[in-house]
Amino acid sequence: DVKVTQSSRYLVKRTGEKVFLECVQDMDHENMFWYRQDPGLGLRLIYFSYDVKMKEKGDIPEGYSVSREKKERFSLILESASTNQTSMYLCASSLWVRSYEQYFGPGTRLTVT
Amino acid sequence: AQRVTQPEKLLSVFKGAPVELKCNYSYSGSPELFWYVQYSRQRLQLLLRHISRESIKGFTADLNKGETSFHLKKPFAQEEDSAMYYCAVETEANTGNQFYFGTGTSLTVIP
Repeated sequence: DVKVTQSSRYLVKRTGEKVFLECVQDMDHENMFWYRQDPGLGLRLIYFSYDVKMKEKGDIPEGYSVSREKKERFSLILESASTNQTSMYLCASSLWVRSYEQYFGPGTRLTVT
Repeated sequence: AQRVTQPEKLLSVFKGAPVELKCNYSYSGSPELFWYVQYSRQRLQLLLRHISRESIKGFTADLNKGETSFHLKKPFAQEEDSAMYYCAVETEANTGNQFYFGTGTSLTVIP
């Protein structure tokens, strides 16, 4: 079974803090993704990575950065957390194969106060 | 820009009734389409994909290129079908495949 794990299920941070969200997959997938999930807005892609040290912006990259130093690990960084970044964050991975499914992590519920 | 539209945020049907969740997309290339589902307290997971032409848990989806739609259908809804459903389009590029998700439809099956 593909396993995608995220470092925290719940996280509470203060405005202005630097926040790290970690994601690890164990199936040697090339692609990894970070989404945020908000009611009424669905899943919106923040960043994705198709290889180590490679990254591409998604629809809403502002206020976020990412790091992929190893194939299995993809980190999302909030440089200075703001209240409008309170959300559910989902990590996913997939093979770089057309029509291959994405495997999702359990999500991290981040609250910024 | 690629866009996926799910016009219904909430949908309620009675158990045993047919259900249809609508999805329309805009994409200039040849799309690959998916339906993902998230049951309560579970992670998001693939329900079905267009390329497989499969029926999963009684659900089917037909790609209509003329109407650019990929509606999800089930003839007889069950209570366990209550969940959040997302339609997704896959694009391909030299820098990895990218997915665009709709805003989701929350389906409630009333006993």
